[in-house]
Amino acid sequence: QVQLQQWGGGLLKPSETLSLTCAVYGDSFKGYFWSWIRQIPGKGLEWIGEINHTGSPNYNPSLKSRVTISIDTSKREVSLTLNSVTAADSGIYYCARPLELRFSAIYAFWGQGSQVTVSS
Amino acid sequence: EIVMTQSPVSLPVTPGETASLSCRSSQSLLHSNGYKYLDWYLQRPGQSPQLLIYLGSNRASGVPDRFSGSGSGTDFTLTISRVEAEDVGVYYCMQTLQTPPFTFGQGTQLEIK
Repeated sequence: QVQLQQWGGGLLKPSETLSLTCAVYGDSFKGYFWSWIRQIPGKGLEWIGEINHTGSPNYNPSLKSRVTISIDTSKREVSLTLNSVTAADSGIYYCARPLELRFSAIYAFWGQGSQVTVSS
Repeated sequence: EIVMTQSPVSLPVTPGETASLSCRSSQSLLHSNGYKYLDWYLQRPGQSPQLLIYLGSNRASGVPDRFSGSGSGTDFTLTISRVEAEDVGVYYCMQTLQTPPFTFGQGTQLEIK
């Protein structure tokens, strides 16, 4: 059974950079898409982007100018970087993996979530 | 971008009754392969979202058969039979037909009367 363990986030000041990492334990790492999703208070869930095992990312256009998703296959880790954060970026950030290799979404596995608060 | 609209925003239900949650998409989610790219998630308070239903009507592993999904290309329903206290939380639909981006509905809060 796959487990996703996240770390990073916390309290940031406006204009700083958010960095999160998601480590994958258990099941296979290669071949899957790995995604980041966030939950903004009062706005529900928002898909941030994904990356495949070859390192090719796909981003939400609303965040594309500020976000980078990277993958380290040797460490079995996926990372998220979000630049120039504002209070509107405050929320809980999740990494997630699809149910099967053939899907890029259908998120059957989620990290525990990382709280991010942006405040001066 | 495909816009997902859920209703109602809040749904109070008596234990043992049936709950019907609606999700509508701005474009058809029916792919030429015959699959409907619509999934349902439950987020219980303080927890990560949990996959309930995928591709319109397939229950995820471990999900009770009280949960069922149905729908056409743009109108989908999650039905919860014999509602229990543990079903409380926010239910989200999500389309995975078109990216970027994949998009979620705004959620339906299920409450126990």
